[in-house]
Parts: sequence; structure tokens; C-alpha cells
Amino acid sequence: DAMVIQNPRYQVTQFGKPVTLSCSQTLNHNVMYWYQQKSSQAPKLLFHYYDKDFNNEADTPDNFQSRRPNTSFCFLDIRSPGLGDAAMYLCATSRDRIQGHPQHFGDGTRLSIL
Amino acid sequence: DQQVKQNSPSLSVQEGRISILNCDYTNSMFDYFLWYKKYPAEGPTFLISISSIKDKNEDGRFTVFLNKSAKHLSLHIVPSQPGDSAVYFCAASAKNYGQNFVFGPGTRLSVLP
Repeated sequence: DAMVIQNPRYQVTQFGKPVTLSCSQTLNHNVMYWYQQKSSQAPKLLFHYYDKDFNNEADTPDNFQSRRPNTSFCFLDIRSPGLGDAAMYLCATSRDRIQGHPQHFGDGTRLSIL
Repeated sequence: DQQVKQNSPSLSVQEGRISILNCDYTNSMFDYFLWYKKYPAEGPTFLISISSIKDKNEDGRFTVFLNKSAKHLSLHIVPSQPGDSAVYFCAASAKNYGQNFVFGPGTRLSVLP
């Protein structure tokens, strides 16, 4: 059974047109993460939520926002997608932020920009 | 500035032999390391971890070795099976940074029958 579910698997949007990617989890984990992964590169952490507490990485562009309306759901909003934002976006969860709790990943959403 | 490096983009190994995947890191604050495995069209799945208080951790066919002085870790898979063919990511975290993992770019392992 899928425990971290990302929808849609593939998303196509136009240059500059806002897009939202969604992630849901059935693990009841406290922490939810969003990563961006470009081809043949390491997944790069954009931000994470610890419960309702939002934590942005210093180099995450302002164009990227996130919402977590409840424990189960987390959204990634890209306000004005540019061609450089085409990538795989991975959502992950973990029980807690302390070490010893591996992250559980969804299968990702591949975003294409036209 | 890559803090976690996997210098071999790909590796091919014969079925039944040992696979050795390497990972180097630059940040001496890192004290917890993980390996993830990723199949095409799927998200990474956790494989094995090691804390800096250990130099070896074993789980079935998978063993991770940590050399703190060299800032190097390796994943050994013995014996390798065709189902092990995947991309393997090394990740590191530091206690002060909580669970904010830094990932390497991955190594694609192909196990040939």
C-alpha cells in the first residue's frame, strides 16, 4: 500500500502559469519535505514542515511556496514557473526530525514547462 | 559546492559478485549517513544507515562501512542480484541540522545476469 502519494505523476504547465503539486501520507508522520531533483543530480531540499512549523531552505527561490493544511496533506505551489523549474519533485515524510528516522518518499511528480 | 559526492555515476557488476558503491563527504559535522535505493519511476526507498559512533552496519546482503578520518563511506552488496539494479543515493545529516539530509548525485548499479 502506498504510504506517501503524490499527484499527479506528470504535470505539464505553461511558462509563468501557477501550478500546484500535492502530496498525501497515511503514516501520520510529523514531518513532510519537498525536494527538487533535476536529471542526474542529487535531490535538493526546498523546505519542510515540522507539524505546522514551516522551515524554508536559505537558497529556495521565493517562487516556491508550500502549504500544509493538515497532517496528511502538503502542497507545493510554484507561482510563476520558469523553464529552469522543470524537474522531478519528491515529497517525503519522517516520524520526527531527530536522527534515526529515515525519510519515506513518494514516487514523485515530473513537472514539464512549455 | 557538493558536500556529498558519489564520483562513480555508474557501475556494472556480474550477478553473484560483490558490488561496492562509494561516497565521500566534506562536512565534518555530518554524523549520520544513509543509503537509499531508487528504481525508475519510483521514489527512493531507505536501505541502510550508520551513525558516526560505528564503523560498520550490516543488514542481510547489505553492509555499510564508515571511515570518519577519510570522510568516506561505502555500501557493499554481497552477493549482487539482478533486482539490485537501481540508482543508489548516499545521504548525510548533522545533529545540529536535524533531519535535513544532503544527498549525493547517485550511482547507477547494473547487475548483469
